[in-house]
Amino acid sequence: AQSVTQLDSQVPVFEEAPVELRCNYSSSVSVYLFWYVQYPNQGLQLLLKYLSGSTLVKGINGFEAEFNKSQTSFHLRKPSVHISDTAEYFCAVSRGGYQKVTFGTGTKLQVIP
Amino acid sequence: DVKVTQSSRYLVKRTGEKVFLECVQDMDHENMFWYRQDPGLGLRLIYFSYDVKMKEKGDIPEGYSVSREKKERFSLILESASTNQTSMYLCASSIPGQGWIEQFFGPGTRLTVL
Repeated sequence: AQSVTQLDSQVPVFEEAPVELRCNYSSSVSVYLFWYVQYPNQGLQLLLKYLSGSTLVKGINGFEAEFNKSQTSFHLRKPSVHISDTAEYFCAVSRGGYQKVTFGTGTKLQVIP
Repeated sequence: DVKVTQSSRYLVKRTGEKVFLECVQDMDHENMFWYRQDPGLGLRLIYFSYDVKMKEKGDIPEGYSVSREKKERFSLILESASTNQTSMYLCASSIPGQGWIEQFFGPGTRLTVL
């Protein structure tokens, strides 16, 4: 079985500061990894995905994530956040393209002016 | 752009009522999904469908059923609503040939059962 842990339920950060949202997964096989973002009163939107290849994945809105197999992590980073990045971020894992995706519990990023 | 629409943004129902949540996607996607989202629990899969008239149970199907009579429409049915079904319900679809790789979500229906 696969699972995802997002240890931080809320992360406050000042505008223009860097941020890292943590995600750890457990799976006995190779995985696909995803980050989704949910802006207030909206559905989820794919931010980035890791399927294979380079462990550093770049996504939309200046976000990137690094797949670390030895630490079973897929942390999301942005060097300088904006007010508009205030949202809830979900990490997700799958064992393959046609395998069920399991979502984490979400991390609320609050950007402080 | 892919568009996934849900029939209502907010819904208030009484215990015991039959509730229909409708989802429509306009991009000819084969795969469609229903999730519920609760604070601290993330998204949990209720049902999914790979094609018309086809359905598969997700992780929490109890108390729910689904219907997929047309490719673009996937309905979630609460046969007899209960207060513990108060939640945000999210519908999603995904691109043909890509399985679950990228899901496109609707804006959600916030259901309150009194």
